[in-house]
Amino acid sequence: AQSVSQHNHHVILSEAASLELGCNYSYGGTVNLFWYVQYPGQHLQLLLKYFSGDPLVKGIKGFEAEFIKSKFSFNLRKPSVQWSDTAEYFCAVNMEYGNKLVFGAGTILRVKS
Amino acid sequence: NAGVTQTPKFQVLKTGQSMTLQCAQDMNHNSMYWYRQDPGMGLRLIYYSASEGTTDKGEVPNGYNVSRLNKREFSLRLESAAPSQTSVYFCASRVDRGNNEQFFGPGTRLTVL
Repeated sequence: AQSVSQHNHHVILSEAASLELGCNYSYGGTVNLFWYVQYPGQHLQLLLKYFSGDPLVKGIKGFEAEFIKSKFSFNLRKPSVQWSDTAEYFCAVNMEYGNKLVFGAGTILRVKS
Repeated sequence: NAGVTQTPKFQVLKTGQSMTLQCAQDMNHNSMYWYRQDPGMGLRLIYYSASEGTTDKGEVPNGYNVSRLNKREFSLRLESAAPSQTSVYFCASRVDRGNNEQFFGPGTRLTVL
């Protein structure tokens, strides 16, 4: 069975600090990869996704993620966080053309102003 | 488009009571999903429906039933609520052509006393 690991459960940063959230998955075949964000009191929104092609994908609000197939990783990055980035971030994976997502446990990011 | 809508937003039940969570989508998506979100555990799939008239168990189906009423609506029923079912429930939908992300509803916060 697939599994997704997010290494940090809580991250606290000051505004303007750089962010990197780790995500590793266990499935050996072709995968689709996603990062979702959940702002306080809101539902999940898609930040970015990778299906194929350039392994460096850019999403909304200045976020990007790099797919490294050899490391089974899809880490999320942002060069300079803002207070408004305070949220919970979820990495999710499904098999190519599959219809079920497997989520990581989530990383709660708090940005101090 | 309203996207994915869920009712109710909040619900408090006593142990043993039953209730149905409603979900509807207006995006003409084939696949629909029910998840529960618990702190530190990410989102876990309860049931999903790949098309009208079909349903399948996910990771944590015990204590739940679902109905895919038509293409738009997918309901989740708790026949006899237990405190362990206290959670936030999210419905999602997805178009099946190619690889695509899931779109999430606003969630239902359920407390079972």
